[in-house]
Amino acid sequence: DSGVTQTPKHLITATGQRVTLRCSPRSGDLSVYWYQQSLDQGLQFLIQYYNGEERAKGNILERFSAQQFPDLHSELNLSSLELGDSALYFCASSVGPGVIYEQYFGPGTRLTVT
Amino acid sequence: DAKTTQPNSMESNEEEPVHLPCNHSTISGTDYIHWYRQLPSQGPEYVIHGLTSNVNNRMASLAIAEDRKSSTLILHRATLRDAAVYYCILRDRWGAQKLVFGQGTRLTINP
Repeated sequence: DSGVTQTPKHLITATGQRVTLRCSPRSGDLSVYWYQQSLDQGLQFLIQYYNGEERAKGNILERFSAQQFPDLHSELNLSSLELGDSALYFCASSVGPGVIYEQYFGPGTRLTVT
Repeated sequence: DAKTTQPNSMESNEEEPVHLPCNHSTISGTDYIHWYRQLPSQGPEYVIHGLTSNVNNRMASLAIAEDRKSSTLILHRATLRDAAVYYCILRDRWGAQKLVFGQGTRLTINP
């Protein structure tokens, strides 16, 4: 158990819909990262927050947005869903923003868009 | 980001040592070498990292070549639980904090 929790575990929804994925980082971790894992693209970085502020953006679509709240939990919002958005979404957390800090990953949310 | 090259797959036997290679010929002086692994149906987990010297922890050892153009992750006594995809990732000390995952090496452990 990494100490990072993600809800829900599974999500099935239809094209065009909007969903929210939730992540609670390990106690004391200030950085939160979101990654997407699909069969054709592998594991890809989406976005990073540090202590409530957006820190870095990866290949995140404009239909996707995220935020980190004062209690440090984070939400990833996916809207106008397409079939290609079906993937595993992982959240990770680390103590600080530096590269020497390891990232702890949650168990992921499996999103299926039908 | 500097690139890494790993074999697509490797196979080993339970209770034997496993040496997982990684080539990173364009590594810069400020790149840390990190290893993560992903067990089936789980999120990635940190294994080990190093800069120049060899490193040991409870999970594995990391041997770094003198010229730093390659490294080897060593599992001293593989168990069935070590079957996973292993990722070798370079992280620039002054660069972005994201992890850039390649294809990794799928390690199969035979009982």
